[in-house]
Amino acid sequence: KQEVTQIPAALSVPEGENLVLNCSFTDSAIYNLQWFRQDPGKGLTSLLLIQSSQREQTSGRLNASLDKSSGRSTLYIAASQPGDSATYLCAVRLQGGSEKLVFGKGTKLTVNP
Amino acid sequence: DTEVTQTPKHLVMGMTNKKSLKCEQHMGHRAMYWYKQKAKKPPELMFVYSYEKLSINESVPSRFSPECPNSSLLNLHLHALQPEDSALYLCASSQADGISDTQYFGPGTRLTVL
Repeated sequence: KQEVTQIPAALSVPEGENLVLNCSFTDSAIYNLQWFRQDPGKGLTSLLLIQSSQREQTSGRLNASLDKSSGRSTLYIAASQPGDSATYLCAVRLQGGSEKLVFGKGTKLTVNP
Repeated sequence: DTEVTQTPKHLVMGMTNKKSLKCEQHMGHRAMYWYKQKAKKPPELMFVYSYEKLSINESVPSRFSPECPNSSLLNLHLHALQPEDSALYLCASSQADGISDTQYFGPGTRLTVL
């Protein structure tokens, strides 16, 4: 059974700092991995999707990496801003054609001005 | 347009009521999803429709009944719910073409069962 773990559960940083969020998964047979952000009481916003054959994806100040063999992904946020405060979730899609995503419990990020 | 819309935003219902949640997307996506999210927990998959056919049912109780009238619409019919069913219900969609797999989520319906 695929399990996804995110560390740390919560993170508080001053504005401007670069930071890394971690995601690990137990079964390396994944189809892709997706990073989302969720603001309190809201839906999920897709940030980056990495296919299993890819090593990283970048969008603006965000960079996500994937090491499938070790079961790890990181989300790097450069020059953090208060508006980045949210819960960040990673989710893996399993191989085999299923559309099911398995989510981690998330990292709650607070960026202090 | 990468928008998934959900109505209503909030819903309060009694345990004997029948209500429906609605989800709509106009991105031409062929897969649509229902998730349930309890406070401070990640979303849990409930149902997946692929090309308007139910492809995944995660052993959801029959008091939740999904319906996909067409490729743009997804409904979740609710009947005889329990207070523990109170949660944020999220709808999502994706292209399901094996090329672009990003799931796009709606804002959710906050459901309270009294």
